Amino acid sequence: AQTVTQSQPEMSVQEAETVTLSCTYDTSESDYYLFWYKQPPSRQMILVIRQEAYKQQNATENRFSVNFQKAAKSFSLKISDSQLGDAAMYFCAYRWGSQGNLIFGKGTKLSVKP
Amino acid sequence: DTGVSQDPRHKITKRGQNVTFRCDPISEHNRLYWYRQTLGQGPEFLTYFQNEAQLEKSRLLSDRFSAERPKGSFSTLEIQRTEQGDSAMYLCASSLVWDWGSETQYFGPGTRLLVL
Repeated sequence: AQTVTQSQPEMSVQEAETVTLSCTYDTSESDYYLFWYKQPPSRQMILVIRQEAYKQQNATENRFSVNFQKAAKSFSLKISDSQLGDAAMYFCAYRWGSQGNLIFGKGTKLSVKP
Repeated sequence: DTGVSQDPRHKITKRGQNVTFRCDPISEHNRLYWYRQTLGQGPEFLTYFQNEAQLEKSRLLSDRFSAERPKGSFSTLEIQRTEQGDSAMYLCASSLVWDWGSETQYFGPGTRLLVL
């Protein structure tokens, strides 16, 4: 069975600094997709970034980038120049190629200190 | 706003009562998902529809749960004979699938259920 593990329940970063959130996953599939979702307090979940397993190049979206290590089954999220609005729960998620549903980790609560 | 909407946003009920939640997906999205999220956990998949067809149900979805998506538009999730363990946030997501790789799920604000 596929699983997603986020080993950091909470993280803290100073405003304008860089923080990295960790995620590992377990799968025997070769065709899959990985996602980071952000869930601000009392607000809906939004997609931050996605990575296709067949792509070697790490995905980047403005201040957000990933470090995708396929052999190690690791998918970390780096947030550069952290802003107060980045404070939220961050969930790592996996989707097998032909499957629709996402499998989520337990999340990492990110706090940003001014 | 043309995002995913859910109604009600909050529901308090007594154990044993039936409750029904509604989800309105983004217009023309052909897939609709239901997830459940308990405190301190990530969302867990319950079921999903492609158009009006229910394609997959998780083993988490007991016989007391039923979901429908008539006409492939909005969806309802009903829980019969609610139990305290049903207390959770119920999330709906929708997506437009034209090939497997293109799918991005957009989430609604959720319905928070408290069973007393």
